[in-house]
Amino acid sequence: EEQLVESGGGLVQPGGSLRLSCAASGFTFNDYWMHWVRQVPGKGLVWVSRIRGDGNDANYADSVKGRFTISRDNANNMLYLQMNSLRTEDTAVFYCAKDLILGSGSLGTWGQGTLVTVSS
Amino acid sequence: QSALTQPPSASGSPGQSVTISCAGTSSDVGGYNFVSWFQHHPGKAPKLMIYEVTKRPSGVPDRFSGSKSGNTASLTVSGLQAEDEAVYYCSSYTNTYTDTVVFGGGTWLTVL
Repeated sequence: EEQLVESGGGLVQPGGSLRLSCAASGFTFNDYWMHWVRQVPGKGLVWVSRIRGDGNDANYADSVKGRFTISRDNANNMLYLQMNSLRTEDTAVFYCAKDLILGSGSLGTWGQGTLVTVSS
Repeated sequence: QSALTQPPSASGSPGQSVTISCAGTSSDVGGYNFVSWFQHHPGKAPKLMIYEVTKRPSGVPDRFSGSKSGNTASLTVSGLQAEDEAVYYCSSYTNTYTDTVVFGGGTWLTVL
């Protein structure tokens, strides 16, 4: 069974940093594009970033470009999101998700999410 | 990246059909056949219901179907059941400036 488990969320002050992790199991991790998607409580889903299976291509939403970095460790089936210069508007539940097809956004497997709260 | 446009709410009685629209542009919905639909029950992980406009993942009932015309995609839920009550999001691949994914704002489906 495919499974994704996020961790690393918590409370951080504006301007601070946080690294989210996503542990993958049940599939050949390095074969798939992986994504991060976030949801402000009470609001809709918003795409954040994606990374190719080999880790050599990545894309970001304009709102996080230059502040967030997506990466992966294929040897250990881990996905990461390094978040710097955090703002209050980054407060959200962050989900990692596995793409079915070539990074297209056909997100077939999701984790349960981890809550990031940016507040002083 | 601008969000795709969905109606905030939709409703139907058990057994009825309901269709949810997802309006985009020629740079996303209209330009690619990479439209997906997700079902999200609050507090749970989102679930992929439709991908590549019309395809259903294994285990998704055939009561759920997808289509596209021009820059607008649609999700139809037939034979509504109480457990279908959830928020539904569409998404599309887009390549306006770089390769990204864009979501709609979500539609809360109420089963009356």
